[in-house]
Amino acid sequence: DIQMTQSPSSVSASVGDRVTITCRASEGISSWLDWYQQKPGQAPKLLIFVASSLQSGVPSRFSGSGSGTDFTLTINSLQPEDFATYYCQQSNIFPLTFGGGTKVEIK
Amino acid sequence: QLQLQESGPGLVKPSETLSLTCTVSGGSISSSTYYWGWIRQPPGKGLEWIGNIYYTGNTYYNPSLKSRVTISSDASKNQVSLKLGSVTAADTAVYFCGRYNKPTGYFDYWGQGTLVTVSS
Repeated sequence: DIQMTQSPSSVSASVGDRVTITCRASEGISSWLDWYQQKPGQAPKLLIFVASSLQSGVPSRFSGSGSGTDFTLTINSLQPEDFATYYCQQSNIFPLTFGGGTKVEIK
Repeated sequence: QLQLQESGPGLVKPSETLSLTCTVSGGSISSSTYYWGWIRQPPGKGLEWIGNIYYTGNTYYNPSLKSRVTISSDASKNQVSLKLGSVTAADTAVYFCGRYNKPTGYFDYWGQGTLVTVSS
């Protein structure tokens, strides 16, 4: 199985900050990497697919980059509604695997 | 608008079988573009993929659960089902169903999730 490692596991930030979350795959997955946002009591919401494609309706302050084994999710100008937990997921091969999550908290 | 709704018992006894159904509305589970999958999340923990099913009936399971899991579908009811046998407390989780885009590999629609507690 491909292991997905996210860092940091949590980050404290203020409204307006730029936040960067990284995700590392245990082997190369080309660009088959997705990012989700999850708020308490809700299902995950797709933000980014194929490493850098923004899902329809997702604000442009979210962006993704990377390929191979190293990927990044960047949130520019953090907004109050962005405080949540973020997960990466590789879609290169079954079994699908998720990162452990990064909780973005209010500073 | 596509909607997914999980249903099933919220409490299952240890060693028994967990059975959940995902009812899809606003779209057909017989589309060749999508898989339909199950994902779970233990309380306070991360996401774990359980498995996917394609309209052909082909299934793909997480090896860690494969010996206990069966995912099936009923096109006439537009439903996808999950059975997980020999459950223990470690199977207590919120169970989500989701639509998985086959060409580009992502879950774009999710159900709200249903909490299943394993306890006697």
